[in-house]
Amino acid sequence: GAVVSQHPSWVICKSGTSVKIECRSLDFQATTMFWYRQFPKQSLMLMATSNEGSKATYEQGVEKDKFLINHASLTLSTLTVTSAHPEDSSFYICSARDPGGGDNNEQFFGPGTRLTVL
Amino acid sequence: QKEVEQDPGPLSVPEGAIVSLNCTYSNSAFQYFMWYRQYSRKGPELLMYTYSSGNKEDGRFTAQVDKSSKYISLFIRDSQPSDSATYLCAMNTNAGKSTFGDGTTLTVKP
Repeated sequence: GAVVSQHPSWVICKSGTSVKIECRSLDFQATTMFWYRQFPKQSLMLMATSNEGSKATYEQGVEKDKFLINHASLTLSTLTVTSAHPEDSSFYICSARDPGGGDNNEQFFGPGTRLTVL
Repeated sequence: QKEVEQDPGPLSVPEGAIVSLNCTYSNSAFQYFMWYRQYSRKGPELLMYTYSSGNKEDGRFTAQVDKSSKYISLFIRDSQPSDSATYLCAMNTNAGKSTFGDGTTLTVKP
């Protein structure tokens, strides 16, 4: 299957700072990427849909000014957690859809980024 | 009521057992059905992908979709300790985002 990478794999930051997480599709071009967060022993919660060249679509209850998403190219989307607080500590996972794959609904996930805000 | 219901378990079986994982859903517009495996502290890995009703087999894994009952299953034959993970079902309508179940935690004991 297609490969999606994330960087960094983990990050620890102080409260009030901003953290940027990168999501890259390595062997395909992704017009659409998704950002999720996952708390321990819970399922994935979709935060937003990132569309290349346009504004992201945020799910209800997700603050767009706090979670800034930029999808500047077909292989890169970034999530910036602004003014992070301890309650933002979570596992953030991105996924990408490969439009050129065998079936255009398959989603491939990155390995995730564990954010800890002190 | 959630759109996708999945028994969180935990489910514990002996090595070699047949495992059955299930999800039910309420949205009849769902057409694409996926099963993901997620190891602790890792991103989900796509295991099986099916479109509409029917069966799909890949090695020890078989996915079944029954749209009339709004019920999907994943069967694991000859389960191995390495199959111990959380299994997530997911589905979508070809409109973009997928809806995920809460995941079932499986432990296969040697």
